[in-house]
Amino acid sequence: SAVISQKPSRDICQRGTSLTIQCQVDSQVTMMFWYRQQPGQSLTLIATANQGSEATYESGFVIDKFPISRPNLTFSTLTVSNMSPEDSSIYLCSVASLPGNTIYFGEGSWLTVV
Amino acid sequence: DAKTTQPNSMESNEEEPVHLPCNHSTISGTDYIHWYRQLPSQGPEYVIHGLTSNVNNRMASLAIAEDRKSSTLILHRATLRDAAVYYCILRANAGGTSYGKLTFGQGTILTVHP
Repeated sequence: SAVISQKPSRDICQRGTSLTIQCQVDSQVTMMFWYRQQPGQSLTLIATANQGSEATYESGFVIDKFPISRPNLTFSTLTVSNMSPEDSSIYLCSVASLPGNTIYFGEGSWLTVV
Repeated sequence: DAKTTQPNSMESNEEEPVHLPCNHSTISGTDYIHWYRQLPSQGPEYVIHGLTSNVNNRMASLAIAEDRKSSTLILHRATLRDAAVYYCILRANAGGTSYGKLTFGQGTILTVHP
């Protein structure tokens, strides 16, 4: 299994500011992903964090708003830029390794933008 | 991604079995059926997965229809701790750029009564 630590676990942010969320895994993983869960909603994939190269974004998400880094096989960051109240969500990191079929999730980072 | 359909909510009494249905009529031959659950204030956690045969693990059982167009997650004795949102997800076979990506539907909210 993989243990995922996300920081911060919770934060209240001012409109117009940016916040970087960190995801640290206790073992090397092949793939890392970032999801968003808006209040009362299901999870939506933001992007795949690619090690050593630019992230791959899903439709509706752009690098300028959600820059992502992945410098190695155990760490990634997601920045939520120029935040507005609509960005108030839970942001979750998930990882997958080969071989095996289990995908693991972090506890999430709960962001409130005021 | 192939779509799944689940009831919005279900209720159960503690220590009784729970059968959570999922329809996936457009499943492809290589899609795995995965179940995740999200406890309150936590990230999703893996429950079970299968391809064609029924599966059992310490958490639950997965019954897969012969034509694979539906499946049922079975919790043999529900506890209060099983109250969560349960997601039925079709996951592409390992390999390619889609490995590790999950498409979440709205899931089933399970309420367990003491």
